[in-house]
Amino acid sequence: DVQLVESGGGLVQPGGSLRLSCAASGFTFSNYWMSWVRQAPGKGLEWVANIKQDGSEKYYVDSLKGRFTISRDNAKNSLYLQMNSLRAEDSAVYYCTRTIVASPGDFWGQGTLVTVSS
Amino acid sequence: QSALTQPRSVSGSPGQSVTISCTGTSSDVGAYNWVSWYQQRPGKAPKFMIYDVSQRPSGVPDRFSGSQSGNTASLTISGLQAEDEADYFCCSYAGSHYVFGTGTEVTVL
Repeated sequence: DVQLVESGGGLVQPGGSLRLSCAASGFTFSNYWMSWVRQAPGKGLEWVANIKQDGSEKYYVDSLKGRFTISRDNAKNSLYLQMNSLRAEDSAVYYCTRTIVASPGDFWGQGTLVTVSS
Repeated sequence: QSALTQPRSVSGSPGQSVTISCTGTSSDVGAYNWVSWYQQRPGKAPKFMIYDVSQRPSGVPDRFSGSQSGNTASLTISGLQAEDEADYFCCSYAGSHYVFGTGTEVTVL
């Protein structure tokens, strides 16, 4: 079975940094694009970023303005999201998803909560 | 990258049908046949329900169906059941990125 397990969330002060990780299993990780999708408390879903199978292409939602970096390690079956200069509006549950062209997420992790607050 | 527009809520009695619209633009929904739909129950991760506008992944009941006309996609739930009560989100590919809908709460009366 496909499994995606996120970790690394927590409470961070405005302006701080955090690195999220996602451990993938149950499929050939290196064959798939992967994405991060977030959901602020009580709000809708927002696609954040995705990365090609070999890491050669990465795309981000425009509103991030270069603060986040998506990466992957195919040898470790892991996806990452480095988040810098965090703001209160970045507070959300961050989901790791397996991506196909037709969908940013045919499989989702359980999510990890990031709270940006002083 | 504006969110796709969905009605805030729809409701129906068990056995009835409900339809959720998802309106985008000629740069997203109208440009690609790559609309997907997700069901999200409270406190849970979203579940993949529809892709390529109208295709169902294995395990999704056939009472869920999707369609598209121009810049608007739709999800229809036929034979509404109590377990269908949830939030539903559409999503469209928009050329190197994805945009989600605003979300619709489905209530089973």
